[in-house]
Amino acid sequence: KAGVTQTPRYLIKTRGQQVTLSCSPISGHRSVSWYQQTPGQGLQFLFEYFSETQRNKGNFPGRFSGRQFSNSRSEMNVSTLELGDSALYLCASSLGKGSYTEAFFGQGTRLTVV
Amino acid sequence: DQQVKQNSPSLSVQEGRISILNCDYTNSMFDYFLWYKKYPAEGPTFLISISSIKDKNEDGRFTVFLNKSAKHLSLHIVPSQPGDSAVYFCAASDNTDKLIFGTGTRLQVFP
Repeated sequence: KAGVTQTPRYLIKTRGQQVTLSCSPISGHRSVSWYQQTPGQGLQFLFEYFSETQRNKGNFPGRFSGRQFSNSRSEMNVSTLELGDSALYLCASSLGKGSYTEAFFGQGTRLTVV
Repeated sequence: DQQVKQNSPSLSVQEGRISILNCDYTNSMFDYFLWYKKYPAEGPTFLISISSIKDKNEDGRFTVFLNKSAKHLSLHIVPSQPGDSAVYFCAASDNTDKLIFGTGTRLQVFP
């Protein structure tokens, strides 16, 4: 079956602009999580959506937001981009059951802010 | 506040030998631990996991050990192969779908 698909793969934006990233989870997976990866910081949790509702949230400013659609596809938006937002943004999907199950990651979107 | 720590940013091991990657955590609410492997320009790939009710889980060449009292887990790869060269991330969960990752350890396996 198809894996997690993230689009676009690469993006270059200017400071102050906004950006929207997209994630299509594995068929049947209802939970979608977003992570930011920067050098030296590992993967940092942004938020998790389940059945169109934000279920968990990390410690990121309000400029970072997301949503999930009825088909479980998710989008992440970053407004008023800053240079420090340059990172690899990873999306992960899982079944989202009560007890934790493994998450499957997409290839990520590499965002560069200039 | 780094709740999951991987104190060794890199590790170099000869092919055929054992690779041991370490991870420490601070949050006693974590009850599920995972290891992911990541190649450049790819997303992390799930490797192996362990529940807090166990102290060992084995899958082929990969074994994860959990020491709850020390809040420490380790990943053993035996024997190490050049294809194992990648960045390894330790992650923890408190029975939600939120994963807390460490900063990663870059493993290099040389011939």
